[in-house]
Amino acid sequence: AQSVTQLGSHVSVSEGALVLLRCNYSSSVPPYLFWYVQYPNQGLQLLLKYTSAATLVKGINGFEAEFKKSETSFHLTKPSAHMSDAAEYFCAVTSYGQNFVFGPGTRLSVLP
Amino acid sequence: DTEVTQTPKHLVMGMTNKKSLKCEQHMGHRAMYWYKQKAKKPPELMFVYSYEKLSINESVPSRFSPECPNSSLLNLHLHALQPEDSALYLCASSQGQGSMSYEQYFGPGTRLTVT
Repeated sequence: AQSVTQLGSHVSVSEGALVLLRCNYSSSVPPYLFWYVQYPNQGLQLLLKYTSAATLVKGINGFEAEFKKSETSFHLTKPSAHMSDAAEYFCAVTSYGQNFVFGPGTRLSVLP
Repeated sequence: DTEVTQTPKHLVMGMTNKKSLKCEQHMGHRAMYWYKQKAKKPPELMFVYSYEKLSINESVPSRFSPECPNSSLLNLHLHALQPEDSALYLCASSQGQGSMSYEQYFGPGTRLTVT
């Protein structure tokens, strides 16, 4: 069985500060990992994905994530937060495609 | 183009009504999904269609009835819903089995309120 944990249901950062959102997964087979962002009353938008090609993955809007197998982690970072980054972020894992397992989500607030 | 469209954007219905949610994608994807999302929670998978056949039904009550008329369209028929069914209903699509590309693309959702 697969599972995803996201440490911190709410993270606050100042504008211009580093963003770090944590994701740890559990999977008995090599995982495919994703980060999605959801703005209020909208659908989920794919930020980036890990598919075993490279451990450091760059995504949209300046976000990147690093896959660390030894730590079973896939943390999301952005060097400098912008007000427009305030949203809900979901980490997800799948092994064979159809069954996505989502983490509980982390709400990011960006303070001026 | 990675767009999934959903209609309507908002829907208010009574417990005795029958309504349908619609989802469309033109990316050539062969897998389509319905999710239910309650406030401050992750999406919960309801149904998966793979090559226009229902492949996963996550024990969803029969008052929700999915339909996949063709590879681009996905409907969710609603009947005799309960107030606790009020939620954001999300449609998603992906390339499908046999592909090595597993990411799902989501529509904007339909905000459903059952009165």
